[in-house]
Amino acid sequence: DGGITQSPKYLFRKEGQNVTLSCEQNLNHDAMYWYRQDPGQGLRLIYYSQIVNDFQKGDIAEGYSVSREKKESFPLTVTSAQKNPTAFYLCASSIVRGGRGSNQPQHFGDGTRLSIL
Amino acid sequence: SQQGEEDPQALSIQEGENATMNCSYKTSINNLQWYRQNSGRGLVHLILIRSNEREKHSGRLRVTLDTSKKSSSLLITASRAADTASYFCATDTTGANNLFFGTGTRLTVIP
Repeated sequence: DGGITQSPKYLFRKEGQNVTLSCEQNLNHDAMYWYRQDPGQGLRLIYYSQIVNDFQKGDIAEGYSVSREKKESFPLTVTSAQKNPTAFYLCASSIVRGGRGSNQPQHFGDGTRLSIL
Repeated sequence: SQQGEEDPQALSIQEGENATMNCSYKTSINNLQWYRQNSGRGLVHLILIRSNEREKHSGRLRVTLDTSKKSSSLLITASRAADTASYFCATDTTGANNLFFGTGTRLTVIP
């Protein structure tokens, strides 16, 4: 079955540590997205990528980094510069039509919950 | 913020009743999408309505869009306990390459 796989489901970060969240899709989608979800708030966009080897900052990119070396994979690194990393992180993908992915439905993984030790 | 705002924040109804959720937004849109999220899971796309459409149906879901009022509503008819979830609207705004999500409505359907 096609879909998006996020791992791990739960992750704990120590002070000063960088951690990487995995996101893999086999939907053959060109666009991939990372969102952060805090309680009582909607999803906020961290980074997105519409094509391999290219990505754009979203609304809250500070303290995060990404790479897009393969179409199927879009890992997110939460760096030590992100002082409040505790949140639910969601990865999504979509096709790109007319040069844009935002006019298409997004398919989501089941998230990674990150906490600070 | 370009985020949409859902109203109400929380809604509790009996099974079999209809549930209506509203979404307001601030800027011109190309389309508006509704998503569902079960607790601790990812979002699932429900329906997309384009800016030139006024109403769309999918099974027990009915979505309306009023671009003059910058608002949309999601109606779930004959609700079931399994409809219990959070529902989010997301807007594809002119000039942007990403969706802007609202803060969500938490729906509880009591059996």
